[in-house]
Amino acid sequence: GQQLNQSPQSMFIQEGEDVSMNCTSSSIFNTWLWYKQDPGEGPVLLIALYKAGELTSNGRLTAQFGITRKDSFLNISASIPSDVGIYFCAGRGSSNTGKLIFGQGTTLQVKP
Amino acid sequence: DADVTQTPRNRITKTGKRIMLECSQTKGHDRMYWYRQDPGLGLRLIYYSFDVKDINKGEISDGYSVSRQAQAKFSLSLESAIPNQTALYFCATSARGDAKYFGPGTRLLVL
Repeated sequence: GQQLNQSPQSMFIQEGEDVSMNCTSSSIFNTWLWYKQDPGEGPVLLIALYKAGELTSNGRLTAQFGITRKDSFLNISASIPSDVGIYFCAGRGSSNTGKLIFGQGTTLQVKP
Repeated sequence: DADVTQTPRNRITKTGKRIMLECSQTKGHDRMYWYRQDPGLGLRLIYYSFDVKDINKGEISDGYSVSRQAQAKFSLSLESAIPNQTALYFCATSARGDAKYFGPGTRLLVL
């Protein structure tokens, strides 16, 4: 079956630093989504990507749909303490059932 | 008010008990989902429903059942709870696209 590998598992950075995380899949995906989960809350959609090569920004966040359609990247520039949380990638393959596969998550901690 | 609500937010139960988790949404979406979250495993799909008459198993449906009582309501039942069903449970909704909107979660502990 389709699998997603998200890395790194966790990051501990200084406020102001840039952050990069990525997801790779074992098969081609048609959609990539990036979510953030704050402690005690449900995941919130950050960015959605629908075309290979697509680069989309949401404030200080930028995500890219890899050209091979097997990977996606999320970058956060100039991190701030409220960026703390768990970031999940999710992807959908070629079927049209709407079922997403989620990565294991990247836990981000920001030191003020 | 929140678009997707879940009740209860926290629940402690004993092995063998039947429990129900409820989800309601005001987004008007046809599609609803139940996910389970365990540390280090991301979110895994339990069941999903594309409309009131459509119910489908996800990747980890064993030990669970669901009921879609109305477009806005989708409940998850554990017929006989066991300790390895201790987890964080999320309900989500979507329109026909891929983007999903999650509820705040129900933290379940099975003793």
